[in-house]
Order: sequence, then structure tokens, then C-alpha cells
Amino acid sequence: DVQLTQSPSTLSASVGDRVTITCRASQSISNWLAWYQQKPGKAPKVLIYKSSTLESGVPSRFSGSGSGTEFTLTISSLQPDDFATYYCQQYHLYSSDPFGQGTKVEIK
Amino acid sequence: EVQLVESGGGLVQPGGSLRLSCAASGFTFDDYAMHWVRQIPGKSLEWVSSISWNSGSIVYADSVRGRFTVSRDTAKNSLYLQMNSLRPEDTALYYCAKGAASGPVYYYDSWGQGILVTVSS
Repeated sequence: DVQLTQSPSTLSASVGDRVTITCRASQSISNWLAWYQQKPGKAPKVLIYKSSTLESGVPSRFSGSGSGTEFTLTISSLQPDDFATYYCQQYHLYSSDPFGQGTKVEIK
Repeated sequence: EVQLVESGGGLVQPGGSLRLSCAASGFTFDDYAMHWVRQIPGKSLEWVSSISWNSGSIVYADSVRGRFTVSRDTAKNSLYLQMNSLRPEDTALYYCAKGAASGPVYYYDSWGQGILVTVSS
């Protein structure tokens, strides 16, 4: 199975900061990676798919990059609404565990 | 607007059974794979099962294979998860999710609000 490892697990940042979250795959997944945002008590919401394609309606301060085994989600200027937990998910190969463990973005 | 509404959750004893339902609307149900994802509160997302658009391809997580059965009913625009031999570690919030494609391995572009399943004596 492909394993995804996100880093960091927790990130403390201030409004206006540039934030980067990394997701590493245990083997190449080409660019078949999605990023989700989840706020407390809410369902996850897709932000980016195919590594760098922004889902409709998602603010342009979110961007994704990478291919193969290393991927990043960047928030160019953190807004109050962005404090949440972020998950990566691979969909290149069947895996019993397609999600990363999550990165919680907290207020500094 | 896509809507996914889960139902059927609740409290069940270890070894018991429960059937979750997900009523879908706002899209052509027949065209997309559907998925179940669960989450223990405060923990990460855990994929449970996926079913392709025509039920021709069904996959399960190792943790539930042989105990859970996923199915879909085109006439009712509904997705189901039959859960048997439930264990305390199955306690979680269960989400129904719509795939962004017809096959069972893809990302999820819409999610339900989740339904809580508690397995306890």
C-alpha cells in the first residue's frame, strides 16, 4: 500500500503568514493527489485535486504543487477562516489507507 | 446543488449490526462512484469502502473487509453500508462521499454531514 506522511502535524501561524504543508508518498503517485480542509464539526471539503488544480470556488490563496512522491499545499496569506485541519489523499492506486494523518493549522 | 444525507446510525452492542443509508440528490447518481469514509472524533480520516458507478467494482479497507458490505440502489439514488460483527473500534462518524469520477479510486468532491455510529455494551 502507498503510505502518505504529512508534515508538520501541527502548525502555529498568524493571519497573513505564508503557510506550507508537505505530503510525502511512499512511492510515486504521479500527480494523483487531493487536498482537503476540515473545520471542527464539519465534513471535509476538497480544495485541490490532481496535485495543483483548484476546486471551483476555492480562494486563489490556496495552491498545490508536486508530483511523484513529494507534494505541498501552500496558503499564500493565511486568513482567519483558514484555521482548520488539512488532509492529503492519494488516488493513484488502491490503498487501504489513502489519507495522510492531517495537519492542524492553529492560531499563533 | 449536491446533497448527501446519511441516516441509520446509533448505538449498537459489540457483535451487532447496523445499516447506514445515504440519500443523494443534485447530480446524476448513476454516473459516479460513491464512498464511505469514517472518522473517530479528533482523529484522522479513514477510508472504509467504495463502489463504482455500476456496482461492478467494490473495494474495502482491510479493517472492515468481510464484515461490511457496500451497495447502491439506482432507483432510490441511495448508497448503503451494511455493517455486521461490529467492534468498539468501529465507533466513528461515518461520512458518505461522492466520487469525482465513475471508478472507485478517485478523490471526493462532495460529502455528507456524517452519522455517528457507537459500538458499546
